[in-house]
Amino acid sequence: KNEVEQSPQNLTAQEGEFITINCSYSVGISALHWLQQHPGGGIVSLFMLSSGKKKHGRLIATINIQEKHSSLHITASHPRDSAVYICAVFGSGSRLTFGEGTQLTVNP
Amino acid sequence: NAGVTQTPKFRVLKTGQSMTLLCAQDMNHEYMYWYRQDPGMGLRLIHYSVGEGTTAKGEVPDGYNVSRLKKQNFLLGLESAAPSQTSVYFCASSETSGRNNEQFFGPGTRLTVL
Repeated sequence: KNEVEQSPQNLTAQEGEFITINCSYSVGISALHWLQQHPGGGIVSLFMLSSGKKKHGRLIATINIQEKHSSLHITASHPRDSAVYICAVFGSGSRLTFGEGTQLTVNP
Repeated sequence: NAGVTQTPKFRVLKTGQSMTLLCAQDMNHEYMYWYRQDPGMGLRLIHYSVGEGTTAKGEVPDGYNVSRLKKQNFLLGLESAAPSQTSVYFCASSETSGRNNEQFFGPGTRLTVL
């Protein structure tokens, strides 16, 4: 079992839908990162959080440390949101451990 | 600022050939990382560096060597390429290694070993 599990692996939505991507982890962590990988391959950091909730535009990230679970929500989804979303945790090894990613496709 | 750059962007090697991937960052970051990304797997850390002149092994270091002679550059070498090293390689850098430190990624190098 991977230390970081994401679900779903693939997600297809219609423009305007509310989207949720989940991340569960099995190790103690001090922070969790959400990243976005564009269709061209580039990777950018979206959020870093260790408790509660963060919001940036239409993106919302939440984390429940007790349940070892985080969610990334996208409101009013748009085709330009189509990308791979990656969850990564910062654990005791002082290094990031990455999930496999969730491929999101938003159709117009 | 260019951020993190990688050269080359694409490369095809034959088994046994050697090559060096170059990563450069202009943000004066102390930490630099080399990852590989394979289908069905998350990014995996190959080697990393906590400062000029230092390197350390990551999760999958076998078959690779690295050097950090200058703070802004981190080189990844393959001495004798194998088909199992076919992958997309990403370099990243961060100011420190702290939990809230954002990692900035390069555009990736797609390597095929025949």
